[in-house]
Amino acid sequence: EVQLVESGGGLVQPGGSLRLSCAASGFTFNSYSMNWVRQAPGKGLEWISHISHNGIHYADSVQGRFTMSRDDAKNSLYLQMNSLRAEDTAVYYCVGDRQWAFDMWGQGTMVTVSS
Amino acid sequence: QSALTQPVSVSGSPGQSITISCTGTASDVGNYNLVSWYQQHPGKAPKLMIYEDSRRPSGVSSRFSGSKSGNTASLTISGLQAEDEADYFCCSHGGSSSAFMVFGGGTKLTV
Repeated sequence: EVQLVESGGGLVQPGGSLRLSCAASGFTFNSYSMNWVRQAPGKGLEWISHISHNGIHYADSVQGRFTMSRDDAKNSLYLQMNSLRAEDTAVYYCVGDRQWAFDMWGQGTMVTVSS
Repeated sequence: QSALTQPVSVSGSPGQSITISCTGTASDVGNYNLVSWYQQHPGKAPKLMIYEDSRRPSGVSSRFSGSKSGNTASLTISGLQAEDEADYFCCSHGGSSSAFMVFGGGTKLTV
């Protein structure tokens, strides 16, 4: 069974940091491009970062503050989030893509930035 | 403001057909055959329904179809069923590093 399981979310103060992890299983992780997609409460989906063997891309909203990485040996994906703002409050999804479509989604982890 | 424009809501009766539009630009929707559509029920993760403008993943009902003309993509759901009531999001490759993938704002479908 294909699974993506996010962890590391929680409550953090503005300006703080958080590291999200995503554990993958049930598929050949190193053959997939991976992404982080977030969804603020009651809002739509926002793509924020992508990693493949060709490089890493970030949305303008997180460029310079968030760092995405992967460890293919551990079948894991990470998102280091620094200088967090209230507008970063969202459910963060770990997402696998093939052929430019997001075909595998985790259940999401909630990040709340508040004092 | 989302990069792709979708209607906020659409509605239809069981058995009817509806179409949701997704309008982008010549730099994203109009430049690549890479529009995808996602269904999201409340409290759940999104599910891929259409990829590469009109291709349907294995397991997705044939009642769902995608098309594109110029800078506008469309999702059509035929034979509406109660379980189709959900939010629908379109997405496209954006063509630049900072807009690598861009989503529409989402459409609430009421059946």
